[in-house]
Amino acid sequence: KQEVTQIPAALSVPEGENLVLNCSFTDSAIYNLQWFRQDPGKGLTSLLLIQSSQREQTSGRLNASLDKSSGRSTLYIAASQPGDSATYLCAVRTGNQFYFGTGTSLTVIP
Amino acid sequence: EPEVTQTPSHQVTQMGQEVILRCVPISNHLYFYWYRQILGQKVEFLVSFYNNEISEKSEIFDDQFSVERPDGSNFTLKIRSTKLEDSAMYFCASSELGNVLGNEQFFGPGTRLTVL
Repeated sequence: KQEVTQIPAALSVPEGENLVLNCSFTDSAIYNLQWFRQDPGKGLTSLLLIQSSQREQTSGRLNASLDKSSGRSTLYIAASQPGDSATYLCAVRTGNQFYFGTGTSLTVIP
Repeated sequence: EPEVTQTPSHQVTQMGQEVILRCVPISNHLYFYWYRQILGQKVEFLVSFYNNEISEKSEIFDDQFSVERPDGSNFTLKIRSTKLEDSAMYFCASSELGNVLGNEQFFGPGTRLTVL
């Protein structure tokens, strides 16, 4: 069964810093990997989707990379802002099911 | 911008009662999903639905659960006889295309179900 792990579980950084969130998965046979943002008590907002054949995707200050063979993905956030404070989740599709990590809770301090 | 909507935002029910959670997926999407998130735990996949039938389901999705697309816009999750452990946030999602093409999923805001 696919296991998805995210480290760190929590991260606190001063505004303006660049940061990296990590996601690892045990089964490299994935269709895609998607990064989400979740605000407290709210739904999931899609940030980036990387297909299994891709190495990275970029959207604004966000860059996600995928190394399928090693079972890892990173989400890079440039020039962090207080509005980036949220929980970041990665999810992989393996076979016919979707597996989520437990998330990284990010706090950006003004 | 099109979005997935869910109603109600919060549902409180007594153990043993039936509940129906409702979702309106994005209009041109063809694949629909339900997930749940127990407080403090991971988001867990329940079921995917395409062409008016279940395409995949997880171990969690037992006989107590059912899904339906009763009309051209709504997608529902029914829990037949709720248990305390069904208390969770339930998310609906939709995607334009299906799994093999790896299309992006869009999530609704969720329904918080509390079973007393």
